[in-house]
Amino acid sequence: SAVISQKPSRDICQRGTSLTIQCQVDSQVTMMFWYRQQPGQSLTLIATANQGSEATYESGFVIDKFPISRPNLTFSTLTVSNMSPEDSSIYLCSARTGEGGTEAFFGQGTRLTVV
Amino acid sequence: GEDVEQSLFLSVREGDSSVINCTYTDSSSTYLYWYKQEPGAGLQLLTYIFSNMDMKQDQRLTVLLNKKDKHLSLRIADTQTGDSAIYFCAETGAGSYQLTFGKGTKLSVIP
Repeated sequence: SAVISQKPSRDICQRGTSLTIQCQVDSQVTMMFWYRQQPGQSLTLIATANQGSEATYESGFVIDKFPISRPNLTFSTLTVSNMSPEDSSIYLCSARTGEGGTEAFFGQGTRLTVV
Repeated sequence: GEDVEQSLFLSVREGDSSVINCTYTDSSSTYLYWYKQEPGAGLQLLTYIFSNMDMKQDQRLTVLLNKKDKHLSLRIADTQTGDSAIYFCAETGAGSYQLTFGKGTKLSVIP
Protein backbone atom coordinates (compact mmCIF):
# COMPACT_ATOMS: atom_id res chain seq x y z
CA SER A 1 0.00 0.00 0.00
CA ALA A 2 0.94 3.67 -0.11
CA VAL A 3 0.13 6.62 2.11
CA ILE A 4 -0.31 9.83 0.16
CA SER A 5 -0.25 13.25 1.81
CA GLN A 6 -1.47 16.38 0.10
CA LYS A 7 -0.97 19.99 1.11
CA PRO A 8 -2.93 22.17 1.51
CA SER A 9 -6.08 20.26 2.39
CA ARG A 10 -8.19 23.26 1.43
CA ASP A 11 -7.80 26.84 0.29
CA ILE A 12 -9.83 29.83 -0.75
CA CYS A 13 -8.13 31.83 -3.48
CA GLN A 14 -8.75 35.02 -5.38
CA ARG A 15 -9.42 34.78 -9.09
CA GLY A 16 -6.37 35.42 -11.24
CA THR A 17 -3.96 33.95 -8.69
CA SER A 18 -2.22 30.55 -8.72
CA LEU A 19 -2.08 27.74 -6.18
CA THR A 20 0.49 24.96 -5.96
CA ILE A 21 -0.62 21.67 -4.44
CA GLN A 22 1.98 19.27 -3.07
CA CYS A 23 1.75 15.50 -3.03
CA GLN A 24 4.08 13.29 -1.00
CA VAL A 25 4.07 9.49 -1.14
CA ASP A 26 5.60 7.44 1.66
CA SER A 27 7.38 5.11 -0.77
CA GLN A 28 8.87 5.29 -4.23
CA VAL A 29 6.26 4.81 -6.91
CA THR A 30 6.55 4.61 -10.64
CA MET A 31 3.30 6.30 -11.53
CA MET A 32 1.67 9.40 -10.08
CA PHE A 33 -1.46 11.09 -11.35
CA TRP A 34 -3.54 14.19 -10.74
CA TYR A 35 -7.34 14.08 -10.85
CA ARG A 36 -10.05 16.71 -10.53
CA GLN A 37 -13.41 16.14 -8.87
CA GLN A 38 -15.86 18.93 -9.58
CA PRO A 39 -18.69 19.45 -7.07
CA GLY A 40 -21.03 16.47 -7.02
CA GLN A 41 -19.18 14.82 -9.89
CA SER A 42 -16.90 11.91 -10.49
CA LEU A 43 -13.13 12.07 -10.97
CA THR A 44 -11.47 13.20 -14.17
CA LEU A 45 -7.82 12.56 -14.92
CA ILE A 46 -5.86 15.76 -15.51
CA ALA A 47 -2.44 14.30 -16.24
CA THR A 48 0.15 11.66 -15.52
CA ALA A 49 3.15 13.07 -13.67
CA ASN A 50 6.29 11.63 -15.22
CA GLN A 51 9.52 11.63 -13.27
CA GLY A 52 12.24 13.51 -15.09
CA SER A 53 10.12 14.54 -18.05
CA GLU A 54 7.07 16.60 -18.94
CA ALA A 55 3.70 15.45 -17.69
CA THR A 56 1.25 13.76 -20.06
CA TYR A 57 -2.01 15.72 -20.20
CA GLU A 58 -5.48 14.44 -20.97
CA SER A 59 -7.76 16.04 -23.49
CA GLY A 60 -9.05 19.36 -22.20
CA PHE A 61 -6.12 20.03 -19.88
CA VAL A 62 -3.02 22.02 -20.84
CA ILE A 63 0.37 22.60 -19.29
CA ASP A 64 0.02 26.38 -19.15
CA LYS A 65 -3.05 26.06 -16.95
CA PHE A 66 -1.95 23.04 -14.89
CA PRO A 67 1.85 22.86 -14.74
CA ILE A 68 3.08 19.73 -13.00
CA SER A 69 6.45 18.86 -11.53
CA ARG A 70 7.79 15.44 -10.53
CA PRO A 71 11.34 15.84 -9.32
CA ASN A 72 11.64 12.36 -7.83
CA LEU A 73 9.76 9.10 -7.27
CA THR A 74 7.94 10.23 -4.12
CA PHE A 75 6.88 13.83 -4.78
CA SER A 76 4.84 15.84 -7.26
CA THR A 77 3.21 19.25 -7.46
CA LEU A 78 0.22 20.53 -9.42
CA THR A 79 -0.23 24.26 -9.96
CA VAL A 80 -3.62 25.68 -10.86
CA SER A 81 -2.78 28.89 -12.71
CA ASN A 82 -4.73 32.09 -13.30
CA MET A 83 -7.67 30.68 -11.39
CA SER A 84 -11.32 31.37 -12.10
CA PRO A 85 -14.41 30.24 -10.15
CA GLU A 86 -14.77 27.35 -12.62
CA ASP A 87 -11.57 25.87 -11.15
CA SER A 88 -13.29 25.35 -7.80
CA SER A 89 -12.95 21.60 -7.30
CA ILE A 90 -11.26 18.93 -5.29
CA TYR A 91 -7.85 18.05 -6.70
CA LEU A 92 -6.56 14.58 -5.88
CA CYS A 93 -3.14 13.05 -6.22
CA SER A 94 -2.91 9.34 -6.95
CA ALA A 95 -0.15 6.76 -7.09
CA ARG A 96 -0.11 3.21 -8.35
CA THR A 97 1.81 0.50 -6.52
CA GLY A 98 1.93 -3.25 -6.36
CA GLU A 99 2.92 -5.69 -9.06
CA GLY A 100 2.20 -4.08 -12.40
CA GLY A 101 0.77 -1.02 -10.68
CA THR A 102 -2.47 -2.80 -9.86
CA GLU A 103 -3.21 -0.90 -6.67
CA ALA A 104 -4.23 2.73 -7.05
CA PHE A 105 -4.23 4.94 -3.96
CA PHE A 106 -5.37 8.51 -3.46
CA GLY A 107 -4.47 11.40 -1.23
CA GLN A 108 -7.14 13.08 0.86
CA GLY A 109 -7.58 15.79 -1.74
CA THR A 110 -7.24 19.57 -1.84
CA ARG A 111 -10.56 21.41 -1.75
CA LEU A 112 -10.10 24.61 -3.75
CA THR A 113 -12.60 27.46 -3.77
CA VAL A 114 -11.96 30.38 -6.11
CA VAL A 115 -13.75 33.64 -5.31
CA GLY B 1 -14.83 6.92 -24.80
CA GLU B 2 -15.30 4.18 -22.27
CA ASP B 3 -18.09 4.57 -19.74
CA VAL B 4 -18.85 3.41 -16.21
CA GLU B 5 -22.41 3.66 -14.90
CA GLN B 6 -23.74 3.46 -11.36
CA SER B 7 -27.05 4.23 -9.73
CA LEU B 8 -26.77 7.47 -7.78
CA PHE B 9 -28.45 6.57 -4.50
CA LEU B 10 -29.01 3.57 -2.25
CA SER B 11 -30.67 3.50 1.14
CA VAL B 12 -30.53 0.51 3.50
CA ARG B 13 -31.31 -0.24 7.12
CA GLU B 14 -28.52 -0.83 9.57
CA GLY B 15 -27.72 -4.54 9.77
CA ASP B 16 -29.02 -5.31 6.28
CA SER B 17 -26.82 -6.08 3.29
CA SER B 18 -26.10 -3.39 0.72
CA VAL B 19 -25.52 -4.17 -2.93
CA ILE B 20 -24.05 -1.46 -5.13
CA ASN B 21 -24.07 -2.15 -8.85
CA CYS B 22 -21.88 -0.91 -11.67
CA THR B 23 -21.78 -1.51 -15.40
CA TYR B 24 -18.94 -0.68 -17.76
CA THR B 25 -18.39 -0.67 -21.50
CA ASP B 26 -14.65 -1.34 -21.88
CA SER B 27 -14.33 -4.94 -23.03
CA SER B 28 -10.57 -4.78 -22.40
CA SER B 29 -10.92 -3.89 -18.71
CA THR B 30 -8.23 -5.63 -16.71
CA TYR B 31 -8.84 -4.42 -13.17
CA LEU B 32 -11.99 -3.13 -11.54
CA TYR B 33 -12.00 -1.17 -8.32
CA TRP B 34 -14.28 -0.03 -5.55
CA TYR B 35 -13.49 3.16 -3.65
CA LYS B 36 -15.21 4.76 -0.66
CA GLN B 37 -15.37 8.53 -0.19
CA GLU B 38 -16.60 9.96 3.08
CA PRO B 39 -17.65 13.63 3.28
CA GLY B 40 -14.69 15.96 2.92
CA ALA B 41 -12.24 13.10 2.46
CA GLY B 42 -10.25 11.54 -0.36
CA LEU B 43 -10.84 8.15 -1.90
CA GLN B 44 -10.17 5.02 0.10
CA LEU B 45 -9.37 1.90 -1.91
CA LEU B 46 -11.72 -0.80 -0.62
CA THR B 47 -10.95 -3.66 -2.94
CA TYR B 48 -10.21 -4.54 -6.53
CA ILE B 49 -10.67 -7.56 -8.76
CA PHE B 50 -8.80 -8.85 -11.76
CA SER B 51 -10.95 -9.41 -14.82
CA ASN B 52 -10.29 -13.15 -14.93
CA MET B 53 -11.90 -13.58 -11.51
CA ASP B 54 -15.62 -13.72 -10.86
CA MET B 55 -15.66 -13.22 -7.11
CA LYS B 56 -13.52 -11.77 -4.35
CA GLN B 57 -14.35 -11.66 -0.67
CA ASP B 58 -12.70 -9.53 1.98
CA GLN B 59 -14.34 -9.57 5.41
CA ARG B 60 -17.73 -7.85 5.00
CA LEU B 61 -17.12 -7.03 1.36
CA THR B 62 -17.93 -9.30 -1.56
CA VAL B 63 -17.21 -8.29 -5.14
CA LEU B 64 -18.95 -10.11 -7.98
CA LEU B 65 -17.88 -9.70 -11.60
CA ASN B 66 -19.88 -10.82 -14.60
CA LYS B 67 -17.47 -10.15 -17.43
CA LYS B 68 -19.89 -11.29 -20.12
CA ASP B 69 -22.45 -8.68 -19.03
CA LYS B 70 -19.76 -6.18 -17.96
CA HIS B 71 -21.41 -5.96 -14.55
CA LEU B 72 -19.67 -5.44 -11.23
CA SER B 73 -21.26 -5.39 -7.80
CA LEU B 74 -20.14 -4.68 -4.26
CA ARG B 75 -22.00 -6.33 -1.42
CA ILE B 76 -21.52 -5.00 2.09
CA ALA B 77 -22.75 -7.42 4.73
CA ASP B 78 -24.20 -6.19 8.03
CA THR B 79 -24.15 -2.57 6.90
CA GLN B 80 -23.29 -0.07 9.61
CA THR B 81 -23.86 3.68 9.89
CA GLY B 82 -20.11 4.13 9.34
CA ASP B 83 -20.58 2.68 5.88
CA SER B 84 -22.55 5.77 4.84
CA ALA B 85 -20.47 7.32 2.05
CA ILE B 86 -20.19 7.61 -1.70
CA TYR B 87 -18.92 4.46 -3.41
CA PHE B 88 -17.13 4.75 -6.73
CA CYS B 89 -16.64 1.98 -9.23
CA ALA B 90 -13.60 2.36 -11.52
CA GLU B 91 -11.94 0.35 -14.23
CA THR B 92 -8.66 0.33 -16.03
CA GLY B 93 -8.19 -1.05 -19.53
CA ALA B 94 -5.48 -3.22 -20.99
CA GLY B 95 -2.21 -1.34 -21.42
CA SER B 96 -3.51 1.70 -19.55
CA TYR B 97 -3.02 2.96 -16.04
CA GLN B 98 -5.79 5.52 -16.28
CA LEU B 99 -8.81 4.88 -14.08
CA THR B 100 -12.25 5.57 -15.49
CA PHE B 101 -14.71 6.29 -12.72
CA GLY B 102 -18.45 6.05 -12.38
CA LYS B 103 -20.37 8.98 -10.91
CA GLY B 104 -20.58 7.30 -7.52
CA THR B 105 -23.42 5.78 -5.48
CA LYS B 106 -24.38 7.56 -2.29
CA LEU B 107 -25.14 4.94 0.34
CA SER B 108 -27.30 6.07 3.22
CA VAL B 109 -27.64 3.76 6.21
CA ILE B 110 -30.77 4.21 8.29
CA PRO B 111 -30.30 3.42 12.00
